[in-house]
Amino acid sequence: EAGVVQSPRYKIIEKKQPVAFWCNPISGHNTLYWYRQNLGQGPELLIRYENEEAVDDSQLPKDRFSAERLKGVDSTLKIQPAELGDSAVYLCASSSYGFGQRTSYEQYFGPGTRLTVT
Amino acid sequence: SQQGEEDPQALSIQEGENATMNCSYKTSINNLQWYRQNSGRGLVHLILIRSNEREKHSGRLRVTLDTSKKSSSLLITASRAADTASYFCATYSQGGSEKLVFGKGMKLTVNP
Repeated sequence: EAGVVQSPRYKIIEKKQPVAFWCNPISGHNTLYWYRQNLGQGPELLIRYENEEAVDDSQLPKDRFSAERLKGVDSTLKIQPAELGDSAVYLCASSSYGFGQRTSYEQYFGPGTRLTVT
Repeated sequence: SQQGEEDPQALSIQEGENATMNCSYKTSINNLQWYRQNSGRGLVHLILIRSNEREKHSGRLRVTLDTSKKSSSLLITASRAADTASYFCATYSQGGSEKLVFGKGMKLTVNP
């Protein structure tokens, strides 16, 4: 079974430039998460999708960040324009059930995209 | 915001020794999970313990949970160099903000 796929693995951009990250979750997983992990910290949730619906985007800085999950499979996270403080690792994860249902709480993570904003 | 806090923040041991990591959290939880992250990689789920459980085993891993003290510990027995990684505890609280909240993590180094 293929794991969560993310691309690119690394991205270096200048501030004020746009950037996009792509995630393909494990086949059949209806719940998808985007996390941001700063150096020396644990991941922090940015947005959670159940199928194509964003059910928790309370931590997503909506002035510059946007996300979509068309057809409830792949997802894209975009930053426009990027700021120096956005340098971090962006992790995508998926799980087979959403919270509040008969739930598998285990999340499967992709390798992440390391973003450097100069 | 991060709920769990691992202790110690870094631990260095010799191969074959046991490693114990502690996690404290602040609010009531439904379950607590431990994840491992190798350098430059994503997180891997290790073990989950529910709020009504006190101890759980998985291979060389033993996790305990004390809800009265809001704390958990992860014990890795007979450590190997391959156990070198960062370890995170994560809590899931049902009701309100239903999401997994990670601690800051701790770095374990197992020397051959």
